[in-house]
Amino acid sequence: SAVISQKPSRDICQRGTSLTIQCQVDSQVTMMFWYRQQPGQSLTLIATANQGSEATYESGFVIDKFPISRPNLTFSTLTVSNLSPEDSSIYLCSVEPRDGSEKLFFGSGTQLSVL
Amino acid sequence: DAKTTQPPSMDCAEGRAANLPCNHSTISGNEYVYWYRQIHSQGPQYIIHGLKNNETNEMASLIITEDRKSSTLILPHATLRDTAVYYCIVLSGGYNKLIFGAGTRLAVHP
Repeated sequence: SAVISQKPSRDICQRGTSLTIQCQVDSQVTMMFWYRQQPGQSLTLIATANQGSEATYESGFVIDKFPISRPNLTFSTLTVSNLSPEDSSIYLCSVEPRDGSEKLFFGSGTQLSVL
Repeated sequence: DAKTTQPPSMDCAEGRAANLPCNHSTISGNEYVYWYRQIHSQGPQYIIHGLKNNETNEMASLIITEDRKSSTLILPHATLRDTAVYYCIVLSGGYNKLIFGAGTRLAVHP
């Protein structure tokens, strides 16, 4: 299993600013994923974060808006840049442990509200 | 795009079995069926997964039809805490990039 600490749990930001979300795992993991969940909607995959290489973004998401870092096997950050009210969502980190369990574990999410 | 079809909502009485269906008619031979659930204000939680055999764990049972075009998640004795959105996802082995569909919103009532 994997225990994920995601910070902050919630934040209120002004438009035009940026928010960086941290995802810390208690064990080394292979893959880390970032998701967005807009109000009342399902989860949408933003990108896959690989250690030692650039993140792979899904269609509709770009690095300039959602820069991601993955400096080691237990940590990643997602920055949501140039915030607008449309970015108000829950952002979730997900990890695949290295134990071969073939399942993903999710953080509790970051609730972002943009004024 | 999600490769699965689920009913948008279901109800279940507490203590009864909840049977959640999922259609995945285009599933490939190497694709697994995964189930996750999301309780309000929490991150999704893994429930169970299978390839072609039926599976059971401490949370639920997964019944996959012989042609693998559909499956059913069974919560044998639903409780109020099982109220959640349940997601059925098909996934190729070896890479856990989960693509979520709309899921089924299960309401368990007293």
